[in-house]
Amino acid sequence: DIQMTQSPSSLSASVGDRVTITCRASQSFSSYLNWYQQKPGKAPKLLIYSAFSLQSGVPSRFSGSGSGTDFTLTISSLQPEDFATYYCQQNYRTPYTFGQGTKLEIK
Amino acid sequence: QVQLVESGGGVVQPGGSLRLSCEASGFTFSSYAMHWVRQAPGKGLEWVSFIWYDGSDKYYADSVKGRFTISRDSSRNTLYLQMNSLRTEDTAVYYCAKDLGGNQVLGFAYWGQGTLVTVSS
Repeated sequence: DIQMTQSPSSLSASVGDRVTITCRASQSFSSYLNWYQQKPGKAPKLLIYSAFSLQSGVPSRFSGSGSGTDFTLTISSLQPEDFATYYCQQNYRTPYTFGQGTKLEIK
Repeated sequence: QVQLVESGGGVVQPGGSLRLSCEASGFTFSSYAMHWVRQAPGKGLEWVSFIWYDGSDKYYADSVKGRFTISRDSSRNTLYLQMNSLRTEDTAVYYCAKDLGGNQVLGFAYWGQGTLVTVSS
């Protein structure tokens, strides 16, 4: 199985900050990498697919980059509604594994 | 708009069975791969299973292989997950999700609200 490791596991930031979350895969797979946002008690929401493609309706302050084993989700200017937990997920090979999550909290 | 509505969750004893359903609307159900993803209380996300748009292929996580069966009925626009030999570690909220792609897996673009399965004696 492909292991996905996110860092950091938690992060405190302020409104307006630029934030970066990293995801590392245990094996290389080009751009088969997605990012999700989940708020408490809600279903996850797809933000980025295929490493850098913005899902329809997602604000442009979210961006993704990377290839191979190292991927990044960047939020250019944090908004109050962005405080949530973020997950990376690979869809290169089944089982389609998720990272353990990064909880983004208000400083 | 796309809607996915899960049902069938509940409390079941270890070793028991449940069948989850996910009724889809707002898109051509027979054209998209569909997935089940679960989340244990306070834990992260775990992909469980997926089925191709035409039902031709099915894949499972090792943790459920041989116990769970995914299926779909395009005449009813409904996805199913038959869960047998349930274990306490299967306790989770189960989400169905529509893939972004049609004949390729791109990402879980739309999710249902989830249904809670509790396995307990």
